Amino acid sequence: DARVTQTPRDKVTEMGQEVTMRCQPILGHNTVFWYRQTMMQGLELLAYFRNRAPLDDSGMPKDRFSAEMPDATLATLKIQPSEPRDSAVYFCASGWDRGDYGYTFGSGTRLTVV
Amino acid sequence: ILNVEQSPQSLHVQEGDSTNFTCSFPSSNFYALHWYRWETAKSPEALFVMTLNGDEKKKGRISATLNTKEGYSYLYIKGSQPEDSATYLCAFSTGNQFYFGTGTSLTVIP
Repeated sequence: DARVTQTPRDKVTEMGQEVTMRCQPILGHNTVFWYRQTMMQGLELLAYFRNRAPLDDSGMPKDRFSAEMPDATLATLKIQPSEPRDSAVYFCASGWDRGDYGYTFGSGTRLTVV
Repeated sequence: ILNVEQSPQSLHVQEGDSTNFTCSFPSSNFYALHWYRWETAKSPEALFVMTLNGDEKKKGRISATLNTKEGYSYLYIKGSQPEDSATYLCAFSTGNQFYFGTGTSLTVIP
């Protein structure tokens, strides 16, 4: 089965450190999302790319978060500097265009900022 | 940020019971409505993608309907089983925006 691969699986870091999370979408998928799982808001959209161009990053705190797709096989989400309130599970998902066949999620990165 | 609402927030049913829950979404700029199943400690998995008003989709004991004019979708589970216990998420797509509801958490009691 084709998979969306996220690394690292778990990350513990100290407050103030830079954190980089990586996502390898399914080969050929041209749409990539980053979501954050929170208790209050469920799956919170952070960024949405199609053909490597950002479509919607209105939900992402711009002062410390950044999302990029340096190429079609890699999406990154960076937090600098990290804060304890950033502790959450971060999911990446990929699919074709506007998702007529649904989107496939990665296993998530569990981030803990202490 | 678009408002996608799901109800109820949580649900407990007995094994064998049938159940249903609701997803409400904006009726304008509609492209598609997705349903996902999310088991604890796993990742969401796509169940259905519906695009046409009046669409009905079925997978085993789970089915879904769509009303784009009034902005709602129903998910039905017939004869619930303990393995159906999960959070069921809907997501609304305009084609260029994609937002999840907060989900309905289903627990099926053996």
